[in-house]
Amino acid sequence: EVQLVESGGGLIQPGRSLRLSCSASGFTFGDYAMSWFRQAPGKGLEWVGFIRSKADGGTTEYAASVKARFTISRHESKSIAYLQMNSLRTEDSAVYYCTRDQAVFPYWGQGTLVTVSS
Amino acid sequence: DIQMTQSPSSLSASVGDRVTVTCRASQTISRYLNWYQQKPGKAPNLLIFGASSLKSGVPSRFSGSGSGTDFTLTISNLQFEDFATYYCQQSYRTPITFGQGTRLEIK
Repeated sequence: EVQLVESGGGLIQPGRSLRLSCSASGFTFGDYAMSWFRQAPGKGLEWVGFIRSKADGGTTEYAASVKARFTISRHESKSIAYLQMNSLRTEDSAVYYCTRDQAVFPYWGQGTLVTVSS
Repeated sequence: DIQMTQSPSSLSASVGDRVTVTCRASQTISRYLNWYQQKPGKAPNLLIFGASSLKSGVPSRFSGSGSGTDFTLTISNLQFEDFATYYCQQSYRTPITFGQGTRLEIK
């Protein structure tokens, strides 16, 4: 059974950094791209970005709203995907979800809440 | 970026009804259109991919159609557990984009 578990969320001040983790199990992690999404309270879904599998180059793509501030990486032997968030803004407050794949998303984690506030 | 526009934004219906949600893309996306259901406090759940392919385990009362720029999600014989928010999502190109959501409420 595919399982994705996010962690690392919390309350953080504007301008600070935070790293989210997504621990994956139930599939061969290295064979798949991993994506991140977010959802601000009461709002819709927003794509954050993804990292391709190592076989596909391990390259990344990001939404314009987070490019140059957020970085997605992956640790193959631990089956973990990371979302490093720098220079956080109040508008980055949201539930962050990790998913498997890069185009169609049948598997989602439960989400982790990030609140950016002074 | 490809803009996705859903209508209506909200919809009231009764158990047993048939409802349709539409999604329009700002440019052609072939059949690269997926539908998700989301309940409060939960992650989205994929229902339909490739415009009309039902994900395994999703009840057959859900169906999708369309291609190019115009798509529909139809739910026949609404059940209590179907009252939720529905999102369309294009996977034609990055950035991946979603419709704003359609909230389906009990009448």
